[in-house]
Parts: sequence; structure tokens; C-alpha cells
Amino acid sequence: SQTIHQWPATLVQPVGSPLSLECTVEGTSNPNLYWYRQAAGRGLQLLFYSVGIGQISSEVPQNLSASRPQDRQFILSSKKLLLSDSGFYLCAWSYSRAAKNIQYFGAGTRLSVL
Amino acid sequence: GQNIDQPTEMTATEGAIVQINCTYQTSGFNGLFWYQQHAGEAPTFLSYNVLDGLEEKGRFSSFLSRSKGYSYLLLKELQMKDSASYLCAVRAQDSNYQLIWGAGTKLIIKP
Repeated sequence: SQTIHQWPATLVQPVGSPLSLECTVEGTSNPNLYWYRQAAGRGLQLLFYSVGIGQISSEVPQNLSASRPQDRQFILSSKKLLLSDSGFYLCAWSYSRAAKNIQYFGAGTRLSVL
Repeated sequence: GQNIDQPTEMTATEGAIVQINCTYQTSGFNGLFWYQQHAGEAPTFLSYNVLDGLEEKGRFSSFLSRSKGYSYLLLKELQMKDSASYLCAVRAQDSNYQLIWGAGTKLIIKP
């Protein structure tokens, strides 16, 4: 079976500090990978998605970046966090060749920038 | 523009039936998804509709009308654990990867 791991679960960071969130998927190969942010009481905002190693598409201009150094690893980074970066960050995966393309989510990281 | 509308909050009684509506306006259509999200947790997949009609899965059913840009999620025999937010998402035809998400409907179950 497939599993997705995302860590840390909670993170408190000062403004201007760097960020690195990691997500890994097990039990499948060549998944599509996604990073979302969810503000309190809001819908999911797609930040980045990747269809393969080194292939990153950005949906929203911001001070965040993403990388996919390995097939099943997806990393979200920032060089300098802003207060507005606070939120619930979710990593998700989907099969690359499935018609439905259902997305499955990791447990999420709650980031507070102070 | 692309938009998905859902009620912000609904309240229902344990053991009853509730219907959560979702309307969408998108540039195309290639599937509609319902997810459940408990407070502080990640969304979990509930159902998928791409053709008109009703899809039933246990206590949960989802309906789609593409001509009306409308879907609903029907929850029967409500249990306290069904208290959660329910998210509607649409995949527009021009992208196989991106989902357009509604803000979610917070469902409160009362005994």
C-alpha cells in the first residue's frame, strides 16, 4: 500500500528565518506530487506541483520554492519567512497515469511565523 | 474566472440526513471530488464524480449534474464523528493536475 510522510507536524519559526518541509511517498513510483497551503477557514491553495524529478511548476508567486531531488521526495523551502507564510501546509500525491487522478494527503505541517 | 461555492456551515442532528451542495463555474470539467477534513487534520478522499448521476458509497452518496454545474454530498445516518469540514474540488478540463477547491462546509452534528 502507499503511504505519504510529512514532517514536522508543527513548526514555530521567527520572521526572516529559513524553512524546509519534507514529504516522502512510499509504495509507488513516479507519483505526481503537490504542495498546498490552507489558511484558517479557507480552501486549499496549490503552491507547487511536480510530475517528475526536477520538474516543478509554480502556481503562486511568493517567497517559497520547491524541489524534487528524488522520485518520491518533495521539499518546500524558503530563504526568509514572512508573517503571511503562516498556515497549514499539506503535501499530496496522485498516480501519474490514473484517469481519476485522486490526490492523497500527508498529515500536514502547521507553521506559525512569529 | 473559476469559482466553487459551498455553504460555510451547516448543522444537523445525529441519526438524520444532510445534503451539502456545491456549485461550480469553471473553464471546463474533468471530474468533481469530495473530501472530508476533520479539524486540524488533512483532507481524506470521499468520492469522485465525472458523469451525471448518483454515486453511492455506504452512508455517503454524491450526485453530479454537469449541465447545472452542481453537485451534492448526501450523508445518511449521521454520527458524531461526521462532524468535519467537507471540501468540494473540481478538475478543469485544461489541466490534469490542478484542482479548484471550494472553501469547505463545516458540518456540526448535534446529539
